[in-house]
Amino acid sequence: QLQLQESGPGLVKPSETLSLTCTVSGGSISSSSYYWGWIRQPPGKGLEWIGSIYYSGSTYYNPSLKSRVTISVDTSKNQFSLKLSSVTAADTAVYYCARPFVPLVVRAPFDYWGQGTLVTVSS
Amino acid sequence: EIVLTQSPGTLSLSPGERATLSCRASQSVSSSYLAWYQQKPGQAPRLLIYGASSRATGIPDRFSGSGSGTDFTLTISRLEPEDFAVYYCQQYGSSLFFGGGTKVEIK
Repeated sequence: QLQLQESGPGLVKPSETLSLTCTVSGGSISSSSYYWGWIRQPPGKGLEWIGSIYYSGSTYYNPSLKSRVTISVDTSKNQFSLKLSSVTAADTAVYYCARPFVPLVVRAPFDYWGQGTLVTVSS
Repeated sequence: EIVLTQSPGTLSLSPGERATLSCRASQSVSSSYLAWYQQKPGQAPRLLIYGASSRATGIPDRFSGSGSGTDFTLTISRLEPEDFAVYYCQQYGSSLFFGGGTKVEIK
């Protein structure tokens, strides 16, 4: 059974860089043909796709966040990571990692999700 | 950017009743690339419907999706206690955007 688990600091200071890692178990990032994504949800609000990455390193980002986002993959650790720079209070959210339900397609609904991790931006 | 508007914001119903949720897109959603999710407090979203009308694996048949173009509907034929939650639509034809959600609450 595929499982995804987010990890990283729960508190980040304004103007600094938010860094999160998603560890995948029950399946290999490199041997599958899926894109792997990050989605966030501010407290009490809706969902926002941040971006997605293929095991080869190809990335696709939400245009509204593209200038601040970097997603990378480490196949040796079966992990992929998110970096969001110059954060403000508006970046406070639960951050989810997820996998779409069809392979080889970056734009597809997500059927496997991590439990989510709350990141608060505050001094 | 395709903007998805969900209505109503909140739906107050009793168990056993029928729920009808709307998702309207600002532009036509290509190939009916529209999905629906259910989210309960403290949990990740759960995929219910993809391709506007296809149920995801393990989803009960009381959940059904319909629509095309700019107007889509999620119907829950008879609400079970576990169906009270927030529902989001998502279009994935061009980029990936979610609607603002509809909360289905117990009346």
